[in-house]
Amino acid sequence: NAGVTQTPKFQVLKTGQSMTLQCAQDMNHNSMYWYRQDPGMGLRLIYYSASEGTTDKGEVPNGYNVSRLNKREFSLRLESAAPSQTSVYFCASSAGQGVEAFFGQGTRLTVV
Amino acid sequence: KNEVEQSPQNLTAQEGEFITINCSYSVGISALHWLQQHPGGGIVSLFMLSSGKKKHGRLIATINIQEKHSSLHITASHPRDSAVYICAVRSVAGSQGNLIFGKGTKLSVKP
Repeated sequence: NAGVTQTPKFQVLKTGQSMTLQCAQDMNHNSMYWYRQDPGMGLRLIYYSASEGTTDKGEVPNGYNVSRLNKREFSLRLESAAPSQTSVYFCASSAGQGVEAFFGQGTRLTVV
Repeated sequence: KNEVEQSPQNLTAQEGEFITINCSYSVGISALHWLQQHPGGGIVSLFMLSSGKKKHGRLIATINIQEKHSSLHITASHPRDSAVYICAVRSVAGSQGNLIFGKGTKLSVKP
């Protein structure tokens, strides 16, 4: 009964380093999302995937890339981390548009 | 101006009190979500509604589409209700993937 699983939970990077945040869901959902949460702001959409094989930019895509590896997995990659990317990242999934979304536990990323 | 506004930003209550958190939005929507984020950080969906009222245990969510307003009520509040409550809307004009989130209301319930 895992739902949406994100790894890692915490990460510290140096400026310029790269890393991939992993997300997997076991609910057979078509749609998956990556959000970032910053203090004093609502969650903002980075990228989403409406179905396997498709990805689209959200509100704040610059500095990120994504891969929908299969129906279960949706990864977020930072090619060259910057301090402005210090944030809490959430992966979410839903069966489709306009239905309940399920969120992972979040990844707290610090870029120094 | 934010498209989704929540009030209050912070709320402290005594155990047992009736709590109301408000959400106003400025766009046409197909659905509104209420989410709960616990101090540990995880986000849980509480309600999704497009009209009327929904109830789950001590939680009640209402929406008035004409007034573009929703409320989340907690009856007989308990310290375990302490969390950030987030309102999010799915705009009819927005891209397929996008929910628009409020900044959240931080609730602290004192024993």
